[in-house]
Amino acid sequence: QKEVEQDPGPLSVPEGAIVSLNCTYSNSAFQYFMWYRQYSRKGPELLMYTYSSGNKEDGRFTAQVDKSSKYISLFIRDSQPSDSATYLCAMESGYNKLIFGAGTRLAVHP
Amino acid sequence: SAVISQKPSRDICQRGTSLTIQCQVDSQVTMMFWYRQQPGQSLTLIATANQGSEATYESGFVIDKFPISRPNLTFSTLTVSNMSPEDSSIYLCSVRTAAYEQYFGPGTRLTVT
Repeated sequence: QKEVEQDPGPLSVPEGAIVSLNCTYSNSAFQYFMWYRQYSRKGPELLMYTYSSGNKEDGRFTAQVDKSSKYISLFIRDSQPSDSATYLCAMESGYNKLIFGAGTRLAVHP
Repeated sequence: SAVISQKPSRDICQRGTSLTIQCQVDSQVTMMFWYRQQPGQSLTLIATANQGSEATYESGFVIDKFPISRPNLTFSTLTVSNMSPEDSSIYLCSVRTAAYEQYFGPGTRLTVT
């Protein structure tokens, strides 16, 4: 079993939809959680960073962490074609090693 | 945040040769890392570049194949030695800030023929 599971998609949604991206994990020691967006042929871009459980909102993006269920989510409101990218979850237990999910490919069509 | 640049952005190399990739950060950072991303795959940590001491390698990666230098808090190099087509990949430099946020460079796309 992988430490971090993420559905690779692809996920295709119409413009304006609410997108939900999810990851599950098995290591209860994880306490730092990040979401990255990666456009084709580019490096990953840090979108959201959350420490421990709870919600964090930044513009159209909301990150949720539920440590009791070992489940994290990224919600994108009012999705735009420019949101089309691969979204990677990543997490770390404090030993300086980020563990990445496989990445979910998202396509937002006009 | 941190702004990271990498050189070269891409290269095509012959089997058996070596390539050195440079990573420059716009501010001093304690933690620098090197990752590999193979086509269509997620990111795999190669090593942590330690300033003033030898890099710490992950399982499956060795210093002879991927020597790393970290002469100061803003610069690091990764060399891919004695390349084979299996080394064709994107190599990414990454840094962690004092706020515990981790940023990535634009990557170096390597093709070995």
